[in-house]
Amino acid sequence: GQQLNQSPQSMFIQEGEDVSMNCTSSSIFNTWLWYKQEPGEGPVLLIALYKAGELTSNGRLTAQFGITRKDSFLNISASIPSDVGIYFCAGPQSNYQLIWGAGTKLIIKP
Amino acid sequence: GAGVSQSPSNKVTEKGKDVELRCDPISGHTALYWYRQSLGQGLEFLIYFQGNSAPDKSGLPSDRFSAERTGGSVSTLTIQRTQQEDSAVYLCASSSQGTNYGYTFGSGTRLTVV
Repeated sequence: GQQLNQSPQSMFIQEGEDVSMNCTSSSIFNTWLWYKQEPGEGPVLLIALYKAGELTSNGRLTAQFGITRKDSFLNISASIPSDVGIYFCAGPQSNYQLIWGAGTKLIIKP
Repeated sequence: GAGVSQSPSNKVTEKGKDVELRCDPISGHTALYWYRQSLGQGLEFLIYFQGNSAPDKSGLPSDRFSAERTGGSVSTLTIQRTQQEDSAVYLCASSSQGTNYGYTFGSGTRLTVV
């Protein structure tokens, strides 16, 4: 079946640094979604991508839909303390079911 | 309500007992989803409701798991004879059209089976 491989598993960064994470799939997706989950909360949608090669920004966040349709990237520029959390990629397995990566945990070094 | 409400927020239960988890979706949202999140893992699809019917129950891990939705609103996920491997965060989401990217998640129920 479809699998999403997300990396890195975790990141320790200094405030102000840029962050990059990515997600790869064993099969083609027509939509890529990036979510953020904070402790004790459900995931919140950050960016949705619908077309191969698409580059979409949401504030300091930028996500790209890979040209092969088997990967996607999320970048965060000039990280701040409130960026901490777990970032998930997800893609549709059907018209109502999402398949999820295992997440990238972002930790800001004190 | 303003958001998706789940209760209880935390539940500790003894192995073998039954538990009921409740989800109150956003008013007017016809689609409702249950997902399970184990520690350090992504979300695992359990079941999807459109209105009161569940077209896809394929994600339910075993016949100890069941879910229902009444009045096109509140949903209950029931786990019978709980096992330690059932320990996880159970997340509910709703959307207005059953699309993949209109989800709004609740804060989840953290279930611990001891």
